[in-house]
Amino acid sequence: QVQLVQSGAEVKKPGSSVKVSCEFSGGTFRNYAISWVRQAPGQGLEWMGGIIPILGTGNYASKFLGRVTITADESTSMAYMELRSLTSEDTAVYYCAGKEGYNYHWFDSWGQGTLVTVSS
Amino acid sequence: DIVMTQSPDSLAVSLGERATINCKSSQSVLYNSQNKNYLAWYQQKPGQAPHLLIYWASTRESGVPDRFSGSGSGTDFTLTISSLQAEDVAVYYCQQYYSTPPTFGQGTKVEIK
Repeated sequence: QVQLVQSGAEVKKPGSSVKVSCEFSGGTFRNYAISWVRQAPGQGLEWMGGIIPILGTGNYASKFLGRVTITADESTSMAYMELRSLTSEDTAVYYCAGKEGYNYHWFDSWGQGTLVTVSS
Repeated sequence: DIVMTQSPDSLAVSLGERATINCKSSQSVLYNSQNKNYLAWYQQKPGQAPHLLIYWASTRESGVPDRFSGSGSGTDFTLTISSLQAEDVAVYYCQQYYSTPPTFGQGTKVEIK
């Protein structure tokens, strides 16, 4: 059974960057499509982008193009999401989520979430 | 991007009664050649990550109680909880995966009346 374990909460200043990690276990990492989904306080779910490790390159929602980088390290079964030029509107819980396969269909495994607070 | 719109935003249902949540997509999510609707449903309890309930519009994820069912096709979908239990209090989201980016509805909050 796949488990996704994320790094801890972060507090960042406006204009800075944050990098959140997601540790994968219980399956074949290279064949697993990992996405990053965020949820602002009291709001809904928003897909930011994803990566399929065997393919190597990230796919991004247009809203985040140029500001987010998603990477995967097959040697450690870790995925990362870096978000730059933070503003208060980036305050949210960030989830890694995914499913086995080479597509971003549904998400049957989720990390526990990482709260990123952007405040001066 | 495909816009997903849920209704209602919230509903209160008595224990043991039926709860019905609607989801409408701005364009069809039916892949005709496969005859599959690219739609999923999730449950999110307070302070928790979302949990997959249903995919392909009507296929229950393993371990999901059979009181949860999904129906619909094309642009209009429904999640039904046939007999509401206390543990079903949550926010429910639909999500399309017909095109990238995957997009979610705004959520429907289900409470006990």
